[in-house]
Amino acid sequence: AQSVSQHNHHVILSEAASLELGCNYSYGGTVNLFWYVQYPGQHLQLLLKYFSGDPLVKGIKGFEAEFIKSKFSFNLRKPSVQWSDTAEYFCAGKNYGGSQGNLIFGKGTKLSVKP
Amino acid sequence: EPEVTQTPSHQVTQMGQEVILRCVPISNHLYFYWYRQILGQKVEFLVSFYNNEISEKSEIFDDQFSVERPDGSNFTLKIRSTKLEDSAMYFCASSGGAPGGFFGPGTRLTVL
Repeated sequence: AQSVSQHNHHVILSEAASLELGCNYSYGGTVNLFWYVQYPGQHLQLLLKYFSGDPLVKGIKGFEAEFIKSKFSFNLRKPSVQWSDTAEYFCAGKNYGGSQGNLIFGKGTKLSVKP
Repeated sequence: EPEVTQTPSHQVTQMGQEVILRCVPISNHLYFYWYRQILGQKVEFLVSFYNNEISEKSEIFDDQFSVERPDGSNFTLKIRSTKLEDSAMYFCASSGGAPGGFFGPGTRLTVL
């Protein structure tokens, strides 16, 4: 079965530190990959997405992610985090062959940024 | 910025009761989805809805679940006879057609 894995459950960083959150997906074929963020008390918001083309995708709030097909990875990065980046981050992939909304989510990574 | 809204934010019900969770998708979107997240677990896809019919449903979406677009703006999820294991956060999402979507804030359903 297809799956999306996020290996970091909770990451704690100081402000200005660099961030990389891991995401691996298990399936081949055409991939549509996403990173969503959920700030405390708020809804899931799309940070960025990859459908095709340039494997380095830039999203909102200074985030980027790189699709590496050979590693089945789509890691999220930010060069310098801020306290306001404290949130839970979810990697997701469209279920291959499924409808447009059929996303498979990872378990999420909670990011805590210390001021 | 347009957003998906959901009501209520928290619903408490007794086991065996019917509940209806409501969503107002973004107005020009045509594709609507429901997901759920049981506490401590992954967000799981339930159902896709397009052109007034279900386009896909997951194994979770059994006969106790139904969806409806009763008018031009609302999109509802009905759970006919709630069970304890239906307790979860239920998210509605909508999109214009591309994969993925815009999510609502969720309804926390607690079944006692």
